[in-house]
Amino acid sequence: GAVVSQHPSRVICKSGTSVKIECRSLDFQATTMFWYRQFPKQSLMLMATSNEGSKATYEQGVEKDKFLINHASLTLSTLTVTSAHPEDSSFYICSARSTSGTSYEQYFGPGTRLTVT
Amino acid sequence: AQSVTQLDSQVPVFEEAPVELRCNYSSSVSVYLFWYVQYPNQGLQLLLKYLSGSTLVESINGFEAEFNKSQTSFHLRKPSVHISDTAEYFCAVSDRGAQKLVFGQGTRLTINP
Repeated sequence: GAVVSQHPSRVICKSGTSVKIECRSLDFQATTMFWYRQFPKQSLMLMATSNEGSKATYEQGVEKDKFLINHASLTLSTLTVTSAHPEDSSFYICSARSTSGTSYEQYFGPGTRLTVT
Repeated sequence: AQSVTQLDSQVPVFEEAPVELRCNYSSSVSVYLFWYVQYPNQGLQLLLKYLSGSTLVESINGFEAEFNKSQTSFHLRKPSVHISDTAEYFCAVSDRGAQKLVFGQGTRLTINP
């Protein structure tokens, strides 16, 4: 149980285009999803917290107009990187927190590797 | 706010040798503590966690970690490692309110035959 998927797993796009990444909780409902960014050989940095049906809360220094987050249902959150540039190339990971059971645990997706050329 | 320091960026060990991955944290409030493992090109998997109670917590694959409040540490240990343990290990902390995870820098564990 507690599986989180991400799609796509890898994406290459041209500079200036937008890319949408999906995060789905497959076998549980998640009121809260988190989006992280991981640079090569570095730790995960929280970008934003996404709550179903409300606006996402962004961490300091993260441009909300560039990284659009939508959490339209209890099983789906999307991250759209708008007008992507090479410096946006990174590994994006989502996690989801279940609405039931213990509230502390986050389940992580496999990540999406974005390359902007 | 919380912070996590993993003192070793890389730890090479021989197969069947013991290993300890160090983690220290800083927080002004009570916290939950976690160790996550990331295998190459994969997402994070929860290895073990400390919430309350016994300060020694164990995983199903032989790892253990001990919460030491006085030293603000949560070091990860395994008495005998296997090649399959090769991965990146992340220590993380969250407060008991907002429960946002703060990660350490990660430690790359490399097992040599």
